[in-house]
Amino acid sequence: AQTVTQSQPEMSVQEAETVTLSCTYDTSESDYYLFWYKQPPSRQMILVIRQEAYKQQNATENRFSVNFQKAAKSFSLKISDSQLGDAAMYFCAYRSSVLFMYSGGGADGLTFGKGTHLIIQP
Amino acid sequence: NAGVTQTPKFQVLKTGQSMTLQCAQDMNHNSMYWYRQDPGMGLRLIYYSASEGTTDKGEVPNGYNVSRLNKREFSLRLESAAPSQTSVYFCASTEGGYGYTFGSGTRLTVV
Repeated sequence: AQTVTQSQPEMSVQEAETVTLSCTYDTSESDYYLFWYKQPPSRQMILVIRQEAYKQQNATENRFSVNFQKAAKSFSLKISDSQLGDAAMYFCAYRSSVLFMYSGGGADGLTFGKGTHLIIQP
Repeated sequence: NAGVTQTPKFQVLKTGQSMTLQCAQDMNHNSMYWYRQDPGMGLRLIYYSASEGTTDKGEVPNGYNVSRLNKREFSLRLESAAPSQTSVYFCASTEGGYGYTFGSGTRLTVV
């Protein structure tokens, strides 16, 4: 089974600074998807960014970018120009591509890390 | 608005009581999921339904049952609630697994 590890239970950054959240995963598969989700105090799960393992180019969404190192099984999230609204729990998640394809969809769903609580200091 | 709707948002149960958490999506997604979120544990998969008429166990299925009533609805039932089932429960859906839509969660307390 795949596992996702987020080694930083809590991170703190000054507003307008840059912060990087770490995520590593364990898999024997070559094709898969990786996600970062944000969960503010409202509890809503919000997709931040998504990366397909077969793509070498790192995904970017405005101030959010990832550093995807496939060989090292590492998927870190960089938040530039941090804003107060970025304060939240951040979850890294893994999804198998192979299982999904052959099962007709849905097998296993997402495997989540335990999360990193991001604090933005004004 | 299109999305995943969960009811109720909050619930307090006594040990041994039963209840059903309801989930409905209006995006015509095939796959639906139930997760639980506990402090320091992230989200863990309870059950999922790859398509209408099928359900399968996830990582932590004990103490739960599910029903995929139709393509839109996927319910989670606690037959005899235990304090260990105190958690926040999320329903999610997807079509193709490229993007997942989550409900707003149900905070369940079992006393």
